[in-house]
This record gives sequence, structure tokens and C-alpha cells, in this order.
Amino acid sequence: DQQVKQNSPSLSVQEGRISILNCDYTNSMFDYFLWYKKYPAEGPTFLISISSIKDKNEDGRFTVFLNKSAKHLSLHIVPSQPGDSAVYFCAASVTGNTGKLIFGQGTTLQVKP
Amino acid sequence: EAEVAQSPRYKITEKSQAVAFWCDPISGHATLYWYRQILGQGPELLVQFQDESVVDDSQLPKDRFSAERLKGVDSTLKIQPAELGDSAMYLCASGPWASIETDTQYFGPGTRLTVL
Repeated sequence: DQQVKQNSPSLSVQEGRISILNCDYTNSMFDYFLWYKKYPAEGPTFLISISSIKDKNEDGRFTVFLNKSAKHLSLHIVPSQPGDSAVYFCAASVTGNTGKLIFGQGTTLQVKP
Repeated sequence: EAEVAQSPRYKITEKSQAVAFWCDPISGHATLYWYRQILGQGPELLVQFQDESVVDDSQLPKDRFSAERLKGVDSTLKIQPAELGDSAMYLCASGPWASIETDTQYFGPGTRLTVL
């Protein structure tokens, strides 16, 4: 049972344009959501997070939106840069439980110059 | 900037051999996690420690995998014997104790295991 799903395996955008990566979840107990970026042969790097008490969190070029009723979150990158090319994972947890993160399958973003 | 350290970065072994991976979390982080990531999939939790105690090892194949964090600081993950299906990236992460908006885990560079 895949509790966190990233249905788009890959995404290609032009440099300077917006990248939108999507993530859906099924467990209504999740209340904390995170996005990680991963380059080949490296560990995931924390990007941005959002708790369920908010519907938007912004950090520089990165904004995460949470739609609790739809059990959907998205990561917007504006403007996209070639260095953003990586695999992006969304993850979810039940805060105050064990902190265990449930990850999606990942979306490979390619930003073309 | 504090980082999670892991070694080795790469390990090639033959099936039925024993392998061990080491992780040193960010100083002061009480929680330590071992994840396994198979190519094309997201990381999956193997074991979680709170200080030196195991909090969750429900997904750890205990017939061949073992993990310890004896002094509540660094940790070792062992596989004995290794099987072909164990080829994956093994990731260690650490984090502060879970609370709202601080339930963020920071990952090390990982160990890429290849079993021949």
C-alpha cells in the first residue's frame, strides 16, 4: 500500500520557467510533509517542509502548497535553474509518533538551459 | 555546517559475505534512522533509534540484518549473509526528537552496496 505517491516519474522544463512537482497521500493522519532533493550517488538533501496547520510555505525560489481536503501537496520552483536538475522526493510523517518518514517514489526533474 | 557522516561510500561484496556500514549523526541529534533505497524507489525505513533504544525495526529483515547504537551516538548496520537482492543505497539520517515542525531528518551521503 503506497501511502505517498508521486505519479510523475519525470518532468522537463526550460530554465527560467516554473517547475511544479506533485505528490498525493492517502493517510489522513499525516500532519507534516517534506520535500527532499537527491543528486546521483548522494543522500537526500532537505529542501522545505510544511505542517498541516498551514497551506503554504515559501523559502526563496521554493514554495510548497498543501491541500488537505484533496490530500495533495505540490512543490513550485520559480525560476527553475539547471542546478535544480535532480530527483525530488516528497515525504510525510505523523508528528509526535516516531518521526518515521514515508517517501514517495520520486520525480526526476530536468531543467534545460 | 554539521553533517551526517557515513562510511564506506561504496561497498562491493559477494553473496553470503558479511558487510557493515557505519553512521555518525549530527551532534546532539537523539534520533537516528537507517533507510534502504532501491533504484527508482523512495527510501524505506529499516530501523529507528531513539538514543540507544530501538523505536521501530518492523521492516528490518532480522534473520540477516542487525543494527546497534550502543552509546546512543554512532551506529552500525550489519548484513550477514548478504544476498543479491540487498544491492541498494543504504542511507543514515538523524533528527531532533519529533515535535511539530522539527520532525525533519538530515541524511548522510549513503553507502552504495553491490552484491555480486
